Amino acid sequence: SFVLTQPPSVSVAPGQTATIPCARDNIGPRSVHWYQQKPGQAPLLVLYDDSDRPSGIPERFSGSNSGNTATLTISRVEAGDEADYYCQVWDSSSAHPWVFGGGTKLTVL
Amino acid sequence: VQLVESGGGLIQPGGSLRLSCVVSGLTVRNSHMTWVRRAPGKGLEWVSVIYNGGTTSHADSVKGRFTVSRDNSRNTLYLEMNSLRVEDTAVYHCARATFTGMDYYFDYWGQGTLVTVSS
Repeated sequence: SFVLTQPPSVSVAPGQTATIPCARDNIGPRSVHWYQQKPGQAPLLVLYDDSDRPSGIPERFSGSNSGNTATLTISRVEAGDEADYYCQVWDSSSAHPWVFGGGTKLTVL
Repeated sequence: VQLVESGGGLIQPGGSLRLSCVVSGLTVRNSHMTWVRRAPGKGLEWVSVIYNGGTTSHADSVKGRFTVSRDNSRNTLYLEMNSLRVEDTAVYHCARATFTGMDYYFDYWGQGTLVTVSS
């Protein structure tokens, strides 16, 4: 199995742009999916297949995936975006196929 | 779509619990259903999956102790947890895994049920 590395925390002022990286081992191209989890709530899928947004997710959420790093970008950050964010990939060759990053706490200053 | 977990609680090490996840708005027998947990102060960890065909798989950390199953008539997912350890303490979420043709992501989640293993 491989490892996804995220910074433990990111802080940003309201209205600014937050970028959350997800670095992975060099195991070839993988689609990356992103989840938002607020305290006491279920995780919420915010991006799938690197950059696609599920219905209801604002356009302020975008993503990219290049080389060994995928990035979640949140534009015009709002107080309500404060949450933990997780990246996830699926490794078909592993007995532990679903791998999550360690999570990043986004703090809105 | 709603996924509602229950069955969590306080249990002593070595004990057993069965978690349930009642699903509405989708059919469990046609879906790939999983359990994902989050331990206190830690991140998300995949635990178990039951594919639509009935094949199951478990993370190494729970293999031999946890068993995932489903009741199609009740549209309910279960997680039988035996020989519980302190490190199994977590909020357990059920989630549906959607296959994109290349890989899987989780598109529907339940709120979770808390399992606390402590003496």
